[in-house]
Amino acid sequence: AAGVIQSPRHLIKEKRETATLKCYPIPRHDTVYWYQQGPGQDPQFLISFYEKMQSDKGSIPDRFSAQQFSDYHSELNMSSLELGDSALYFCASSLRPAGAWEQYFGPGTRLTVT
Amino acid sequence: AQSVTQLDSQVPVFEEAPVELRCNYSSSVSVYLFWYVQYPNQGLQLLLKYLSGSTLVKGINGFEAEFNKSQTSFHLRKPSVHISDTAEYFCAVRPNSGGSNYKLTFGKGTLLTVNP
Repeated sequence: AAGVIQSPRHLIKEKRETATLKCYPIPRHDTVYWYQQGPGQDPQFLISFYEKMQSDKGSIPDRFSAQQFSDYHSELNMSSLELGDSALYFCASSLRPAGAWEQYFGPGTRLTVT
Repeated sequence: AQSVTQLDSQVPVFEEAPVELRCNYSSSVSVYLFWYVQYPNQGLQLLLKYLSGSTLVKGINGFEAEFNKSQTSFHLRKPSVHISDTAEYFCAVRPNSGGSNYKLTFGKGTLLTVNP
């Protein structure tokens, strides 16, 4: 079965650079969630989109922005990168409303800021 | 708001021994409960979930969990573990009400290490 695709899988950036992470949800899934998992930490919710509209917002820095496109893929844009942004970034997708109770996670993008 | 407490950050066990990973939650609304497993350098995989009905839920890889509403707990158990069960385990909750708030709130994780 098709899964959530994230690209790139690994990304190395320097401080103050920008990064763009992409997420391709499972086909027919219309909702995308972004989570950030710092080293040795639990995943923290950043932001979610439903039908191309932002549906919820968590602890996402103002330097980050995200959007969902007409094909339901999503991009997380990160600017003025800081060392503390080094983390594993997960994207998850779900089908709403019927399948709202389960989120399927992608393999993550590991961002390293040097 | 919801919060999840995983009482043990690390649980070492020997192969074929039983294991219990503890999870307590706090929420002002009714929630759905989940256990996810994360193998090294991999994503999150759903082990099992409690939505409603029977409080004992069975998941993949021989794991099961029991929802206890009065104690607000959702402990994960396996009667006999294997080396391959070595991983980080996350308990998570989310509100089961309507609306747009479907984000998961995770616990800090429990590292299960199975030794030969």
